[in-house]
Amino acid sequence: ETGVTQTPRHLVMGMTNKKSLKCEQHLGHNAMYWYKQSAKKPLELMFVYSLEERVENNSVPSRFSPECPNSSHLFLHLHTLQPEDSALYLCASSQDRAYNQPQHFGDGTRLSIL
Amino acid sequence: GQQLNQSPQSMFIQEGEDVSMNCTSSSIFNTWLWYKQDPGEGPVLLIALYKAGELTSNGRLTAQFGITRKDSFLNISASIPSDVGIYFCAGRSSNTGKLIFGQGTTLQVKP
Repeated sequence: ETGVTQTPRHLVMGMTNKKSLKCEQHLGHNAMYWYKQSAKKPLELMFVYSLEERVENNSVPSRFSPECPNSSHLFLHLHTLQPEDSALYLCASSQDRAYNQPQHFGDGTRLSIL
Repeated sequence: GQQLNQSPQSMFIQEGEDVSMNCTSSSIFNTWLWYKQDPGEGPVLLIALYKAGELTSNGRLTAQFGITRKDSFLNISASIPSDVGIYFCAGRSSNTGKLIFGQGTTLQVKP
């Protein structure tokens, strides 16, 4: 139990569907992150939120839309995805964005696009 | 963009053997982190390093922050079957502040 909970664990959706991934952290952290993990590739940072404000967007297509309503919750809204978006999506949190604060990960949502 | 070179990509060893893996970068980092990921789960932090030359242990695991600040290694002593998984290094660039992950080392242990 890492203190970061992601739901759902698995998601299969068509390219025209709209769905959302949810992340909740119980660690009292102020920073939250979305990563994409594809086979044979390093983790790719997608978005960073600090104190509910988006502070980093690493050239992610607009079909991915994050939302951070409070410091404990982070969502990733999905719309009109492509087959190459199939991957494991990981949420992480850290105390803050300072360099000496390690990130704690959830178990991810395995997303498959038909 | 910046990349970390993690090696080896995979290892298949006998139970009881020691294991060593490393990460190198062309630029200077101020933090090195080592994670382990089991199938179907997210990465779990094993060791965090914050100072050049720092050597830190966590049970049978030992990691070091290289003196040049461009590399780090992770050693696992007396491996056991539950050490199986993917080990990731991650470094935070001194230039950009971004956390960058290596491609992972897949470890398999034969009982």
